[in-house]
Amino acid sequence: AQSVTQLDSQVPVFEEAPVELRCNYSSSVSVYLFWYVQYPNQGLQLLLKYLSGSTLVKGINGFEAEFNKSQTSFHLRKPSVHISDTAEYFCAVIPGDYKLSFGAGTTVTVRA
Amino acid sequence: DTGVSQDPRHKITKRGQNVTFRCDPISEHNRLYWYRQTLGQGPEFLTYFQNEAQLEKSRLLSDRFSAERPKGSFSTLEIQRTEQGDSAMYLCASSLAGFSRRDNEQFFGPGTRLTVL
Repeated sequence: AQSVTQLDSQVPVFEEAPVELRCNYSSSVSVYLFWYVQYPNQGLQLLLKYLSGSTLVKGINGFEAEFNKSQTSFHLRKPSVHISDTAEYFCAVIPGDYKLSFGAGTTVTVRA
Repeated sequence: DTGVSQDPRHKITKRGQNVTFRCDPISEHNRLYWYRQTLGQGPEFLTYFQNEAQLEKSRLLSDRFSAERPKGSFSTLEIQRTEQGDSAMYLCASSLAGFSRRDNEQFFGPGTRLTVL
């Protein structure tokens, strides 16, 4: 069985400030990890993914995430956010099969 | 635009009516997935196809739900006798699955938002 826990449901942040979104997963098998972003009334867009190799993964729009196997975490970070980063962010895993299992999401609101 | 498309984008229906949604995947993708997203939650897996074969169905997919992918290209998701609890965003995704899970990046469509009155 696998589950994804996003520890923060809402994250307000000021423009140009850093942001970190926390994600923990549980799985009995090796997993592949993803972060998706969803803008209002749109589908999901892949920000970044961890498949293997370097534990620090860089994605689009200046986002990066670090895979920590011992802590079963995959936290997402951005050093300086923009108003346009206001969106819903989802952490997801693919465990032993092919379907994505998502967390409940974190709403990021960037204020000027 | 060669991304995943879904139609309609919005559907409002009365309880008890049947509805059908369509998904057109990226043309060379052999896998197609349906997910359901309710308000304030992440998407939940419903079912997926490899070419025209439906390989897995979630327990969330009650007998009122049926999905098809008749020619291995577009897919339809039908809900019969809709209930208010069916109100959600229905997301379609596609991928080009190879021999490794590494190949399985899923590309999502914009979704169909269903409101059952």
